[in-house]
Amino acid sequence: QITLKESGPTLVKPTQTLTLTCTLSGFSLRTSEDSVGWIRQPPGKALEWLALIYGDDDKRYSPSLMSRVTITKDTSKNEVVLTVGNMDPLDTATYFCARGRYTSGYNQIFFDFWGQGTLVSVSS
Amino acid sequence: QSVLTQPPSVSGAPGQTVTISCTGGYSYVGTYRVHWYHQVPGKPPKLLIYDNTNRPSGVPDRISGSMSGTSASLAITGLQAEDEGDYYCHSYDEDARRWLFGGGTKLTV
Repeated sequence: QITLKESGPTLVKPTQTLTLTCTLSGFSLRTSEDSVGWIRQPPGKALEWLALIYGDDDKRYSPSLMSRVTITKDTSKNEVVLTVGNMDPLDTATYFCARGRYTSGYNQIFFDFWGQGTLVSVSS
Repeated sequence: QSVLTQPPSVSGAPGQTVTISCTGGYSYVGTYRVHWYHQVPGKPPKLLIYDNTNRPSGVPDRISGSMSGTSASLAITGLQAEDEGDYYCHSYDEDARRWLFGGGTKLTV
């Protein structure tokens, strides 16, 4: 059974760095066919892709957040970690991690399994 | 502002058919596959369609996807109350090297 679970703080202060962990179960990030992405959703708004890491350690970032976001993996722990620096109240959102798969090309990623999400609020 | 354009809302009576469109530029929808998700409040998105037309196991065949030029569509026939929620399309933007989601469409049954 494939599951993903996000963990991390529910409240951070402006300018602080957010660190979220996605714990994987039922699959691992070992090949380029495997990937995990982070997607966020501000309250009442649409989904926004943030970052993705492939099993071969190729990393991709949203151009609008690239200077603030880092994604890493620890295969031995089956974890993927997202950090977002210089947090702002506009970063208040539910943060999801999801398994990425593709069948017809390296960038043709779709997300087939999602974590439940974790709501992160940014406030002083 | 999303560059994958979806109608903000659609509605239909139980048993009817609705279609949701997703339109974008050639560097993404016209070149890359489109995927669709359904989200109910307080829950994560659920994959409905991948690679324009394919259904994961467990998704009923009254849900279908199609593609024409730079526009993708999701059709739901035999509407049921459980179909209510938000629908998002998703694709890859080659120019910006990013994955992107549409702005979402709220379906009311």
